[in-house]
Amino acid sequence: GEDVEQSLFLSVREGDSSVINCTYTDSSSTYLYWYKQEPGAGLQLLTYIFSNMDMKQDQRLTVLLNKKDKHLSLRIADTQTGDSAIYFCADSGTGYSTLTFGKGTMLLVSP
Amino acid sequence: GAGVSQSPRYKVTKRGQDVALRCDPISGHVSLYWYRQALGQGPEFLTYFNYEAQQDKSGLPNDRFSAERPEGSISTLTIQRTEQRDSAMYRCASSSQGLETQYFGPGTRLLVL
Repeated sequence: GEDVEQSLFLSVREGDSSVINCTYTDSSSTYLYWYKQEPGAGLQLLTYIFSNMDMKQDQRLTVLLNKKDKHLSLRIADTQTGDSAIYFCADSGTGYSTLTFGKGTMLLVSP
Repeated sequence: GAGVSQSPRYKVTKRGQDVALRCDPISGHVSLYWYRQALGQGPEFLTYFNYEAQQDKSGLPNDRFSAERPEGSISTLTIQRTEQRDSAMYRCASSSQGLETQYFGPGTRLLVL
């Protein structure tokens, strides 16, 4: 079946850039997503990228997609303490109906 | 505007009891999804609906789990004869027809003693 892998933990200093990486196995994926989960809160959609794109930028967020290597990354510029959360990569497969999530990367931003 | 809402937010029950978890999607959203998230894991797909029709229930772990959406809006996920291994966060999401983004509710934390 489909699988999505992420590194479990990332620690950065405030003001630095953060890069969270994700690999997936389904070569026919249509969309790839990044969600943010803060303690006690729901999953917040951060951004997504269509499979025919290589890059998408949205304010401080940059998503890079390497389809050949099935590698997705999320770069957060000028990381703030409020960015501390768990970030999930998710793969839509060939349609929109079911998302396959990674286990999440905990980002810790220290002052 | 109002997002996806779920109730109850927390549910503690004894093993063997039935529980019903409710999801109220964003108004007008056609598709509704249920996921289960164990501690330290990402959400795992359970089932989804377009309008009132259950399109895919391949993620439901066994026949103790069922879901319905009788009027194409609110959905209920029912777990019969709960077991301790059912303890998890149950998340609901909704999306507009033909659009690619799923919006999640706050989840229901279920604890089976």
